[in-house]
Amino acid sequence: QSVLTQPPTASGAPGQRVTISCSGRSSNIGSNGANWYQQLPGTAPKLLIHNNNERPSGVPDRFSGSKSGTSASLAISGLQSEDEADYYCAAWDDSLNGVVFGGGTQLTVL
Amino acid sequence: QVQLVQSGAEVKKPGASVKVSCKASGYTFTSYYIHWVRQATGQGLEWMGWMNGNSGKTGYGQKFQGRVTMTRDTSISTAYMELSSLRSEDTAVYYCARGVPVSSGRYFDGDFDYWGQGTLVTVSS
Repeated sequence: QSVLTQPPTASGAPGQRVTISCSGRSSNIGSNGANWYQQLPGTAPKLLIHNNNERPSGVPDRFSGSKSGTSASLAISGLQSEDEADYYCAAWDDSLNGVVFGGGTQLTVL
Repeated sequence: QVQLVQSGAEVKKPGASVKVSCKASGYTFTSYYIHWVRQATGQGLEWMGWMNGNSGKTGYGQKFQGRVTMTRDTSISTAYMELSSLRSEDTAVYYCARGVPVSSGRYFDGDFDYWGQGTLVTVSS
């Protein structure tokens, strides 16, 4: 069971907007930045969002992140077929003294 | 361009140790933290620990304390992760990932901007 809670699946039609949630605690998301990763099948994870809402260069602005209290969200607008992947949230946990990940959300583009 | 290139797949017997390497290029190795993350087949990501690329100081996840050792050789810009007393549950793909700059002091950050390609470690009798 993961420390950060994500829905196991999400879906949307091409062009739609989908949001993936990540619920944590005061010791992790509540006091540290949330990060999001995209993992395509058979590949290493790729950083999508860091420090709650910052996009690394090269990441399309269709991807956005937000944080409120002990929860974070990843929004993907203008959904495309190539967005089909697993998405993970991550944050440092002050109590566990380590990085914790969500269980991952498998996104299907219908 | 920044690259992290890991060593090849390993097959080990229960009780043995494995040492995975991660060679960095395209940036100053000693200027960044390196983290290790693993992923069992069909499962999620699991963080193992961090290492300061400059000082070599490390911090390990509670689950791996006493079994994992992270080291580096700055002369060849390479980080290593050694896991001992292997059991079948350690079968996974192991990734190295670049963390934030050591100048930030923020080893406690889950921000990993570059990842290695992964190394499959299979533990089987």
